[in-house]
Amino acid sequence: SQQGEEDPQALSIQEGENATMNCSYKTSINNLQWYRQNSGRGLVHLILIRSNEREKHSGRLRVTLDTSKKSSSLLITASRAADTASYFCATDEFYFGTGTSLTVIP
Amino acid sequence: NAGVTQTPKFQVLKTGQSMTLQCAQDMNHNSMYWYRQDPGMGLRLIYYSASEGTTDKGEVPNGYNVSRLNKREFSLRLESAAPSQTSVYFCASSPQTGGVDYGYTFGSGTRLTVV
Repeated sequence: SQQGEEDPQALSIQEGENATMNCSYKTSINNLQWYRQNSGRGLVHLILIRSNEREKHSGRLRVTLDTSKKSSSLLITASRAADTASYFCATDEFYFGTGTSLTVIP
Repeated sequence: NAGVTQTPKFQVLKTGQSMTLQCAQDMNHNSMYWYRQDPGMGLRLIYYSASEGTTDKGEVPNGYNVSRLNKREFSLRLESAAPSQTSVYFCASSPQTGGVDYGYTFGSGTRLTVV
């Protein structure tokens, strides 16, 4: 399976702190994507990074990609209670990781 | 609003019953997908359709069939439901399949319980 694996499985932080979650995958990719899922809802696309990119920013999100280590990280800066959700990485070949559950405490 | 629409949102089936999950997108996307989500397992691909008229198996296709009715609609059928198919099912679409710079657009899901 080309499934990505997120780490940690769960993360709890105070509002205003930064949250970092990591993703590892198994095979070569063309791009890697991050998604957010609020409880009981569908997944929402956050950001896509191509295999020839090392870092990408979107608002409070920063994604890095290390293809040599087959890993990616998602950094959410200045977290808010509304960021409480599960976060998943996905590769371009349809496979999703198991997710990181983020809780931001007001 | 443009997006992916799934019906029904909730369903309870008895073991052995059949049902079809419906999915429609209005974004003129070529590719559509069915995933199931189980606790601790992430999302697993059941079937996908790269374009109208084609379907392919994903990671967990056993017990399911699909139909790409037209460009907009992609249905998932359970012929004889089993308790192991209790899950949340998500339909998704994208302009094209993997290898290009597009993300997926997801529906809101169907929560299926098989008793």
